[in-house]
Amino acid sequence: AQSVTQLDSQVPVFEEAPVELRCNYSSSVSVYLFWYVQYPNQGLQLLLKYLSGSTLVESINGFEAEFNKSQTSFHLRKPSVHISDTAEYFCAVRGNAGKSTFGDGTTLTVKP
Amino acid sequence: NAGVTQTPKFRVLKTGQSMTLLCAQDMNHEYMYWYRQDPGMGLRLIHYSVGEGTTAKGEVPDGYNVSRLKKQNFLLGLESAAPSQTSVYFCASSSTSEAFFGQGTRLTVV
Repeated sequence: AQSVTQLDSQVPVFEEAPVELRCNYSSSVSVYLFWYVQYPNQGLQLLLKYLSGSTLVESINGFEAEFNKSQTSFHLRKPSVHISDTAEYFCAVRGNAGKSTFGDGTTLTVKP
Repeated sequence: NAGVTQTPKFRVLKTGQSMTLLCAQDMNHEYMYWYRQDPGMGLRLIHYSVGEGTTAKGEVPDGYNVSRLKKQNFLLGLESAAPSQTSVYFCASSSTSEAFFGQGTRLTVV
């Protein structure tokens, strides 16, 4: 069995401030880890993923996440957010049988 | 470059009516999934398929049925709709890595 806990349901932050969205997971097998972003009235889009190799992964728009196996975490960070980063963010874990389990989501609101 | 396409995008049903949601993918993915999204509850897996002709139950399968007769299509059926099935439904497909999502179907059962 696998599960994902996103520790913050809402994160308000001012523009150009740093942000961290926290994600912890549990699984009895090796997993792949993902962050997805959902803009209003749209489907989910992949933001970044950890499959293997370097534990620090980056997205094209400045987000990064670090896989920490000992703490079973995959926190998402950005050093300086923009208004356009306002969205809902989902952490997900994929284990055996191809099933992905999603967290409940974190709503990031960037204020001017 | 369609990716994952869901039809319809919106639907209103009366309690007890039936309907089928269609999901089509053009990426030759083996895995396909149906999720429902409700406020504050993230995405919950309804049913999934690991290949043509296979289906399996997810986290919240009751009241839904699925079929995967062709690799590119995954159908979600509601035989007798209930107000508790009011939700946004997302289809997704994947190979061995990330999932690709459709734009969603907003279903209201009155």
